[in-house]
Amino acid sequence: DAGVTQSPTHLIKTRGQHVTLRCSPISGHKSVSWYQQVLGQGPQFIFQYYEKEERGRGNFPDRFSARQFPNYSSELNVNALLLGDSALYLCASRTGGLAKNIQYFGAGTRLSVL
Amino acid sequence: GDSVTQMEGPVTLSEEAFLTINCTYTATGYPSLFWYVQYPGEGLQLLLKATKADDKGSNKGFEATYRKETTSFHLEKGSVQVSDSAVYFCALITSGSARQLTFGSGTQLTVLP
Repeated sequence: DAGVTQSPTHLIKTRGQHVTLRCSPISGHKSVSWYQQVLGQGPQFIFQYYEKEERGRGNFPDRFSARQFPNYSSELNVNALLLGDSALYLCASRTGGLAKNIQYFGAGTRLSVL
Repeated sequence: GDSVTQMEGPVTLSEEAFLTINCTYTATGYPSLFWYVQYPGEGLQLLLKATKADDKGSNKGFEATYRKETTSFHLEKGSVQVSDSAVYFCALITSGSARQLTFGSGTQLTVLP
């Protein structure tokens, strides 16, 4: 089975632009989370969606938004990009039941804002 | 709020040396604890986990024990290999609808032949 897939792999944008990142969870997983990993730091939680509803939001500005589609894939949108938004954006999916706390990560999208 | 503190790196060891990476946490309630590993240019891979006090997680020769009394989850391996070179992240998750992971800052491990 395929793991969590993210696209694109790399992205270069300029300040003020908008970006959309995409994530497909592992088949059967209904929850998707997004994390931002700035170089040299641990990932920081941005959003979590479960069954297309937002279940959690981290301490990020309103420029960051996300949604989950009926097939459980997800998009992360960032408006009015700043230099400080340059980071690796990670998507993670999880299932429910006894393994509900185990999150599986994709390889990430590396965003560079110039 | 919840937080995770890892020993600062980078850590450089010779092959077959003993590895310890310290991790302590602060959390409300009873968290589940994790170690994730990140190889160059890749995402995070779950290395091991423990869900309650005194649980020992283990995988690929790595071990960590959930110590509630010292709020610690130190990662150990008896004999490291060059292929273990990576960044290691300690993380926790607490119950609640969000189930968000809180990560430490990561420890870069380099193993020399």
